[in-house]
Formats: sequence, structure tokens, C-alpha cells
Amino acid sequence: GAGVSQSPSNKVTEKGKDVELRCDPISGHTALYWYRQSLGQGLEFLIYFQGNSAPDKSGLPSDRFSAERTGGSVSTLTIQRTQQEDSAVYLCASSPRDRGRITDTQYFGPGTRLTVL
Amino acid sequence: QKEVEQNSGPLSVPEGAIASLNCTYSDRVSQSFFWYRQYSGKSPELIMSIYSNGDKEDGRFTAQLNKASQYVSLLIRDSQPSDSATYLCAAVPYGQNFVFGPGTRLSVLP
Repeated sequence: GAGVSQSPSNKVTEKGKDVELRCDPISGHTALYWYRQSLGQGLEFLIYFQGNSAPDKSGLPSDRFSAERTGGSVSTLTIQRTQQEDSAVYLCASSPRDRGRITDTQYFGPGTRLTVL
Repeated sequence: QKEVEQNSGPLSVPEGAIASLNCTYSDRVSQSFFWYRQYSGKSPELIMSIYSNGDKEDGRFTAQLNKASQYVSLLIRDSQPSDSATYLCAAVPYGQNFVFGPGTRLSVLP
């Protein structure tokens, strides 16, 4: 079946511009995560969605970052007034069950490489 | 602060040898542990998950968990050049988010 998809695959933008990154999770998966990975670094948790519950935004680095998930499926991560330090690969992952149970595995999308000039 | 630590490497092993990747975590309430493989420029893919103390084997891969020592490892037998990648360890406290380590870069030399 189809995996997690993300778009665009690459995004180059100028400092100060806003960007939107999109994630389509695996059909039927209720949990969705956003991570950021800087070059040569590990994964940095950004935000978690589970069904209709309020999202866990504890990983968002600043108020320039926001995300929404419409209809429990597609999610959009928005970065306002981008800065050069926002340059990274943004990864989305989905999971079939919420983290309240024995944690189920996460399936990652291919990522969006963001470059802020 | 929950932390997961891994040697960044690179860990170099000859083809056919056993590669041993180690991970320690600081949070005693972590219950679930995952190993992901990430090829350069690609997204992470699941190798193994482990929840109970002891060994879990899947083909050439064996995960080992020791909760008392807060230690989880991944052994790769008969290493192949195609195993060359970065291996990410993740620890997950019950009901909370994944905490990923920085990853260990493995290089299998032909």
C-alpha cells in the first residue's frame, strides 16, 4: 500500500518568507508526528497529533512554527518568517495507534529538505 | 531531560563480521525501544522493536535490552556493505513521545 508522502521534496526560500510543508499519512493511521533533522544530527520532535485530541506542541522551537491536521488525515506544517537556522529536513511519520498503548512503530515519509537563503 | 546516547562513529567493520551498535538512555520509565536504519539522504526505516529484557532475533539482526542497565544494543551478523548506514536508537516512555539518539554511522568494508 501507499506509504507516508510529503511535499514538496525540496523547498528553497528566502529569509523572512513563510513556507508550508505537507504530509499525507498512511490511510487509517491515527497518529501523526513531525520531526526536524539538521545535517548530521538526530531527529528533533516537533509536534504530535492523535485523532481529534489537542496536539502535543511541546517540541515546536518557536511561535513561528505551527501545524494543523485537517479531518484527521493530511497535516500542514507552517513556518513563518523563516530564518537560516530553520534549514533542515522536515520528516513526517504516522502510526496506526496512539502512544497511550504499547507504542506502535512509526513509518516515516521521505521528508522535505528546506533551505533558507 | 530524557536523553538517548549513541556513539556517533563511524564504526567500521569488515564484510562478514558482526557489527555491534550500542545505545544508553537516561529515563528509567522508558518501556519501548526501536532501532531505525537511515541511508544517506533517505528517511528512517524500522529495523526492530523490543519491549522486554533479553534478546530478540530477526534474521541477521538481534536486539538486546537490559532495562536495569538502561542499555539497548543491535547486533548485525554477517555484515554486508549494504548495511552501511546510520542507525538510530529510540526510547519511548509509556504514553510519551519517541526520544531519538543522534545515531551511529556504520561502514561495512568489502
